[in-house]
Amino acid sequence: DTGVSQNPRHKITKRGQNVTFRCDPISEHNRLYWYRQTLGQGPEFLTYFQNEAQLEKSRLLSDRFSAERPKGSFSTLEIQRTEQGDSAMYLCASSPGTHSKNIQYFGAGTRLSVL
Amino acid sequence: AQTVTQSQPEMSVQEAETVTLSCTYDTSESDYYLFWYKQPPSRQMILVIRQEAYKQQNATENRFSVNFQKAAKSFSLKISDSQLGDAAMYFCAYRSQPYTGGFKTIFGAGTRLFVKA
Repeated sequence: DTGVSQNPRHKITKRGQNVTFRCDPISEHNRLYWYRQTLGQGPEFLTYFQNEAQLEKSRLLSDRFSAERPKGSFSTLEIQRTEQGDSAMYLCASSPGTHSKNIQYFGAGTRLSVL
Repeated sequence: AQTVTQSQPEMSVQEAETVTLSCTYDTSESDYYLFWYKQPPSRQMILVIRQEAYKQQNATENRFSVNFQKAAKSFSLKISDSQLGDAAMYFCAYRSQPYTGGFKTIFGAGTRLFVKA
């Protein structure tokens, strides 16, 4: 078990392009979370999955953002028509299905730069 | 809505000394979780310590301990015998019980800790 894996680690794109990030949670974890972190700030919650069901979405998740978790395993976060304001670190976290102290395990993140 | 405030953007401590990082939060809930996470430069965030609101006893994890004051809505982190490896960004975080507040964790803006050799 190598922990939460996120790919790519860095993504540079031009404004208006679509980007997709992938998160592979710890294998036995059925809860998965996406956060966005801008420079000098704490992570902001974007969305939550329990297995394949997306149970909560932040108002930060505009229509240009979509997340999926097919079959309750890995998850993808897609941003369409990227804007410069989308530049940030996108963090994924997972946690076990039981309360298990509600501890979330974070990946190293995908840093997005929109030019 | 819940909020988390970390009023110290940066803190500095001498190696082997003790430092306390401050955190206050606002909530109308009575049952929740509080966390301190550590984010080293260019590395992933890891949990330092966790406190359940219904427990009066302050949590401790080796050199890390908290001072949880529920009535004052304060949750400070004390790092004893500071080590160079403690240098990082520290985030205070709040999480509701799922049956009351959903599944999101709310983070403060962070405190950058410098450790001087």
